[in-house]
Amino acid sequence: EAGVAQSPRYKIIEKRQSVAFWCNPISGHATLYWYQQILGQGPKLLIQFQNNGVVDDSQLPKDRFSAERLKGVDSTLKIQPAKLEDSAVYLCASSSGQVSGNTIYFGEGSWLTVV
Amino acid sequence: GENVEQHPSTLSVQEGDSAVIKCTYSDSASNYFPWYKQELGKRPQLIIDIRSNVGEKKDQRIAVTLNKTAKHFSLHITETQPEDSAVYFCAATSDSNYQLIWGAGTKLIIKP
Repeated sequence: EAGVAQSPRYKIIEKRQSVAFWCNPISGHATLYWYQQILGQGPKLLIQFQNNGVVDDSQLPKDRFSAERLKGVDSTLKIQPAKLEDSAVYLCASSSGQVSGNTIYFGEGSWLTVV
Repeated sequence: GENVEQHPSTLSVQEGDSAVIKCTYSDSASNYFPWYKQELGKRPQLIIDIRSNVGEKKDQRIAVTLNKTAKHFSLHITETQPEDSAVYFCAATSDSNYQLIWGAGTKLIIKP
């Protein structure tokens, strides 16, 4: 089956600029996640959607990050304005249902460098 | 809320030897424990998982054991090979929880 698709794969921007990442989950997967992974650290959940509703966005820096999942399928994550500490890999993932017992499938990631 | 601790942070073993990574969790309601492997520059991928109604699960050279009383679970890799070199993450959640709580990761190094 097709995996989780993400774009762009790599992005370099200057601080205070904006950037947007796109994700298309595995077909039929109701749950979509955006994770931030800083080099050498584990994935940190930014936001979790169930269909087109937000389940958890407690760790999303809402002053600069926003995410949406219109129509309950693909999703975009935006950062505006970017800071140096936002340099990380942004991983989109999806699962067929709630996390318990359901495999989370990750995309290749979008690598962001803020200079 | 749930908290997952993972040890060690780095593990170096000789090729062919066994490797064991341990995780402890705090929420006794947690009942699902997956392990993810992340190779350098790649995405995390599920390698094995276990539910709380079993104490052990094996898949070829990989096994996971669960001690519900002590609230810890471990990943065992036997006959380690160079391709086992990666960062391994444990995680925990429950049927009533929407979040997967991740450990900090263990970097496994296989020495030739």
